[in-house]
This record gives sequence, structure tokens and C-alpha cells, in this order.
Amino acid sequence: DTEVTQTPKHLVMGMTNKKSLKCEQHMGHRAMYWYKQKAKKPPELMFVYSYEKLSINESVPSRFSPECPNSSLLNLHLHALQPEDSALYLCASSQGGTRLTDTQYFGPGTRLTVL
Amino acid sequence: AQSVTQPDIHITVSEGASLELRCNYSYGATPYLFWYVQSPGQGLQLLLKYFSGDTLVQGIKGFEAEFKRSQSSFNLRKPSVHWSDAAEYFCAVGGTGFQKLVFGTGTRLLVSP
Repeated sequence: DTEVTQTPKHLVMGMTNKKSLKCEQHMGHRAMYWYKQKAKKPPELMFVYSYEKLSINESVPSRFSPECPNSSLLNLHLHALQPEDSALYLCASSQGGTRLTDTQYFGPGTRLTVL
Repeated sequence: AQSVTQPDIHITVSEGASLELRCNYSYGATPYLFWYVQSPGQGLQLLLKYFSGDTLVQGIKGFEAEFKRSQSSFNLRKPSVHWSDAAEYFCAVGGTGFQKLVFGTGTRLLVSP
């Protein structure tokens, strides 16, 4: 099973709301990633967890707060977002740490709209 | 700095015709090179990757790519395109000392009947 699941598929939120995105994988992968993708653009890395520890934060604003409760689960907590944060949020996982030679498996994404 | 260029924003190919998508990279050492495909509203799927060895790499769905160090290129090819190949294609580069993959801006493939 090479599946990464993401919930919800779509999310609409106001600028004062708090919401969370969820990502799950059961492939035994030890690295998990959050990417943000704007329309007609490539994905931009936001965060990387390696062995459940945050290893990369690409200077993401604090209104985005990642959490890795266990090796299979990755959350992205959202608070006080701006309309420009509207995008497709992709989760990915890879087998061992953050070796770039490992294939990253992507989920289908959560389409976020901030009103 | 490391970079990836995909010079074609859009390409239209007739179904059954051959396809070549271009990718050029800038990196001083041997790169790790990847091609990903993204269907509308979906995540990315790895088509193939190159780290070392044979410069002609076979991937899934009948795709192949050739690493040419002299041209700093890693072009993606398919001999006969199917309508289901219509999607966005991203080339990406990594390497020793990279913290993350660097993605190109993508090429949108349209397949005409």
C-alpha cells in the first residue's frame, strides 16, 4: 500500500477560524512533509518531520503550526489565516529520514479557501 | 544556486504521437533528478528518478528520461501518448547537501484527439 491520505479534501474557513489538516500514511515511512501549492505553480516545501521531530521549517509564518503525534500521522493546525494562504496543501512521506534519494509519496491534497 | 528550468509552459500533442518534455538543471555536482506528474486536483506521482549509473532511465506508464551531463538536461520522453497522459509534469533536482527538492515550474501537457 503506497497511499497517503489527507482529510478534509476541501476546507473553507474565515480569517478568525481555527482548523486542522490531517495526513496519514501506513507505509512505515519515517519522514513526512507539508507542501503548499498555488495554482499553476510547483509545490513549495513548508515543513519536514524526520523520525517525528521537526527537521525543516522553511520560514513559514506562525499561523501554520505542524504537529507529528506519531510516525503515521501529521497534522497542520491553521489559525488566523489570510486570503493569500488559499492553496492546495499537499502531504508527502518518504521511507527513511530525509534522504532526497528516497521517493516522496504524495497525498491528493486539501484544497483550502480562506475568506 | 541550484535551479531547474522547464522551458515549455504548455505542450499539445496528438494522441498516439511521441512526446518530449524538456528539463534543464543547474548544479555543480552529480544531481538527483526526478520527474513527477500531477493530474488535476491530485497530488504528485513519481514517474522516474536518476541518481547514478545508466543515463537512460525507465519509469512507470511507459515514460523514460535521459540524463545528459554535457547539456545539463534530463528530458522526459514517451513514444506514444494516451489521452490519460494529459496532466502537469514537474522536473525536480536534489543532491548532496540539498535540504529539499527544487522543482521546476511545470509543463502542462494537453492531448488532442
